[in-house]
Amino acid sequence: GESVGLHLPTLSVQEGDNSIINCAYSNSASDYFIWYKQESGKGPQFIIDIRSNMDKRQGQRVTVLLNKTVKHLSLQIAATQPGDSAVYFCAESPSGSARQLTFGSGTQLTVLP
Amino acid sequence: DADVTQTPRNRITKTGKRIMLECSQTKGHDRMYWYRQDPGLGLRLIYYSFDVKDINKGEISDGYSVSRQAQAKFSLSLESAIPNQTALYFCATSRGANEKLFFGSGTQLSVL
Repeated sequence: GESVGLHLPTLSVQEGDNSIINCAYSNSASDYFIWYKQESGKGPQFIIDIRSNMDKRQGQRVTVLLNKTVKHLSLQIAATQPGDSAVYFCAESPSGSARQLTFGSGTQLTVLP
Repeated sequence: DADVTQTPRNRITKTGKRIMLECSQTKGHDRMYWYRQDPGLGLRLIYYSFDVKDINKGEISDGYSVSRQAQAKFSLSLESAIPNQTALYFCATSRGANEKLFFGSGTQLSVL
């Protein structure tokens, strides 16, 4: 899985399966976490966020899980579709402030037909 | 129309040239940001602005300058471009300090 600041891993899943994209973070003071999706040729697009007082948050077809004990964040995408193919990256902030966000390098998700 | 518009989308220039990348937004947000994206690395903050009279350096401001001409406009300049400034540049906005970022489509800059 992805780690903030490291290489770009890849994940291939069959259409219709669930996808799990992982992110490890190092700053134990991080209070706010966010997932972005970046399609080829486009800017990053907000998916979902979570604060450190929660361990799970659900959106439309997506769920973010936060494990503060092991400093791990994951994004689950249910019933993955071809339009989900993109780079997904997490970001963390110790204050929730956008100017203090530290971004990971991303995971390339490819949805196979 | 895009809420955050960056121009140009692509630019090729030579070492030593002055380059300006422009960003305009229709979201009405006060806060604007410039980021750089390099292959295999996360987005890194170059400069940010909380309003027209407020400009702040980010993590990697050396070699860059910015101008906030209006609430809706935030431009990034490379006074004397160098090859290691070849990257994908993104402008972003946010409504408040703890609000999510909205990004433009990016400007791919190549410095030869």
